[in-house]
Amino acid sequence: AQKVTQAQTEISVVEKEDVTLDCVYETRDTTYYLFWYKQPPSGELVFLIRRNSFDEQNEISGRYSWNFQKSTSSFNFTITASQVVDSAVYFCALSEASMNTGFQKLVFGTGTRLLVSP
Amino acid sequence: EAQVTQNPRYLITVTGKKLTVTCSQNMNHEYMSWYRQDPGLGLRQIYYSMNVEVTDKGDVPEGYKVSRKEKRNFPLILESPSPNQTSLYFCASSPDRARLTQPQHFGDGTRLSIL
Repeated sequence: AQKVTQAQTEISVVEKEDVTLDCVYETRDTTYYLFWYKQPPSGELVFLIRRNSFDEQNEISGRYSWNFQKSTSSFNFTITASQVVDSAVYFCALSEASMNTGFQKLVFGTGTRLLVSP
Repeated sequence: EAQVTQNPRYLITVTGKKLTVTCSQNMNHEYMSWYRQDPGLGLRQIYYSMNVEVTDKGDVPEGYKVSRKEKRNFPLILESPSPNQTSLYFCASSPDRARLTQPQHFGDGTRLSIL
């Protein structure tokens, strides 16, 4: 079965610390897509990044960076110099094919709550 | 503005009283989906729709119904709600059909409490 594991339930850091959120996935597909979403305390889901299985280049966007390693089936997310506004729940997700129809669906990890204190 | 609109945002109701959560998108997306979010479980898919009149079960469909009579709307129906359906619900849409390559657009969520 395809699944996404976010082993860190909650992480607490102090502002300006770097923090890495782990995401490990399982899939038998050779082509797949991975996503990260942020859910701030207000509750909405905010898309952060998409990565396809053929693109293993790491990506940096401001203080955010992502490390995709196919060999270890991981897609980790690092926040550099964390800020209080980074406090949120972060979800990793994998697109997979439905066993019933073959159509794709999104499977989410259980999320990591990040608390950044001043 | 491109958006997915859910209504209501909050609802407290009682066991057995039928309710409908509406979802509408203005992006002409073909793919729409419902998720529920529960503590420690992340988001789990309830139902999804690839196009008008095409729907399929997700991972947790029991106790829910959906319909897709028009492309823009994808209501979630709880015929006889029970307390275990108390949850935060999200509707999402995507321009994709068979393969989910694009990020999904999510509504702001509906918090349901079933007493």
